[in-house]
Amino acid sequence: EDQVTQSPEALRLQEGESSSLNCSYTVSGLRGLFWYRQDPGKGPEFLFTLYSAGEEKEKERLKATLTKKESFLHITAPKPEDSATYLCAVQGGIVKETSGSRLTFGEGTQLTVNP
Amino acid sequence: DTEVTQTPKHLVMGMTNKKSLKCEQHMGHRAMYWYKQKAKKPPELMFVYSYEKLSINESVPSRFSPECPNSSLLNLHLHALQPEDSALYLCASSPNSALNSPLHFGNGTRLTVT
Repeated sequence: EDQVTQSPEALRLQEGESSSLNCSYTVSGLRGLFWYRQDPGKGPEFLFTLYSAGEEKEKERLKATLTKKESFLHITAPKPEDSATYLCAVQGGIVKETSGSRLTFGEGTQLTVNP
Repeated sequence: DTEVTQTPKHLVMGMTNKKSLKCEQHMGHRAMYWYKQKAKKPPELMFVYSYEKLSINESVPSRFSPECPNSSLLNLHLHALQPEDSALYLCASSPNSALNSPLHFGNGTRLTVT
């Protein structure tokens, strides 16, 4: 059974204070690891997909990295508008073209950036 | 704004009511999903439609009935719900390939069962 553990559960930063969120996973044959951002009362917003260890992707102040056991979401010089819950999800195993994508989500990290 | 549109945004219903949630996407995606999300918890998969056929049902109670009339539309019919069914119901879609496909979510329907 696929498992995803995110840490910390909650993180408070001052504006400009860089940090990292962690996503540890156990999966049988990783097909993809996904990062989402979710604002209160909204649906998750897709950020990144990582496919293999060593891969990195960047978008504005966010950078996602992947190893064989975990992924990090690095936030550089965050701003208050970066405050949100960040969700990590994995897709693993044998997936059929017609089966749709079954993702396993972590519990998320609630990030608050104070001005 | 997202490219997956859900209506209504809010719904309050009694335990004896029948209601439907609607979802629409025009990205040409061939897989569509229903998720349930309780407060401060991650989304939980309920159903997956792939090429308009139900491919995954995560042992959801029969008071939830999904329907996929065509490749752009997804409905969730609700009947005889319980207060514990109150949650944010999210619709999502992904491209026709199941492999490595990110899901694109709508903003959900906030359901309250009284």
